[in-house]
Amino acid sequence: AQTVTQSQPEMSVQEAETVTLSCTYDTSESDYYLFWYKQPPSRQMILVIRQEAYKQQNATENRFSVNFQKAAKSFSLKISDSQLGDAAMYFCAYRNNNNDMRFGAGTRLTVKP
Amino acid sequence: DGGITQSPKYLFRKEGQNVTLSCEQNLNHDAMYWYRQDPGQGLRLIYYSQIVNDFQKGDIAEGYSVSREKKESFPLTVTSAQKNPTAFYLCASSIRREAFFGQGTRLTVV
Repeated sequence: AQTVTQSQPEMSVQEAETVTLSCTYDTSESDYYLFWYKQPPSRQMILVIRQEAYKQQNATENRFSVNFQKAAKSFSLKISDSQLGDAAMYFCAYRNNNNDMRFGAGTRLTVKP
Repeated sequence: DGGITQSPKYLFRKEGQNVTLSCEQNLNHDAMYWYRQDPGQGLRLIYYSQIVNDFQKGDIAEGYSVSREKKESFPLTVTSAQKNPTAFYLCASSIRREAFFGQGTRLTVV
């Protein structure tokens, strides 16, 4: 089975600064999707950004961008101009073409005013 | 409104009893999932289903059972064989580009 590893249990960033959350995954497949989800204290899962493995261009969504390194099986999330509302748990996820979807253990992001 | 609904939000059961968690979606998604969330362990996959009448075990299927008789519904039964059932359970459905989640059920076994 695929595995997803988030090596940073907790991260902290100053408001308006930039932070990068790390994610690596293990797979033998070539076609898959990668995601970053945000889970605020309400525990509702919110999609932050997605990346299709066949696309070389890194995905961006406003202040959120990824660094997708397919050969290294790395998928980091960069949050620019951090805001207080960005404070949450962030989960990296992998899904293959058989709809098998796995998550990492999560990174708790704290934003300091 | 389209969405995915889990019920109830909080559930209490006595040890040794089976309990079923409900998950319904009206998004017309083929794939559905059950995850368990414990502090510090992220989301662990219990079962997933690609289509009606088909489902696959995830990493922690022992002590759980599911059915997929209708496209809209994917109930999870926590059996008495599950040694530590107290947890937060999340249901999801997906298309290729995104998974949509319910609001979760907090199960407490006393």
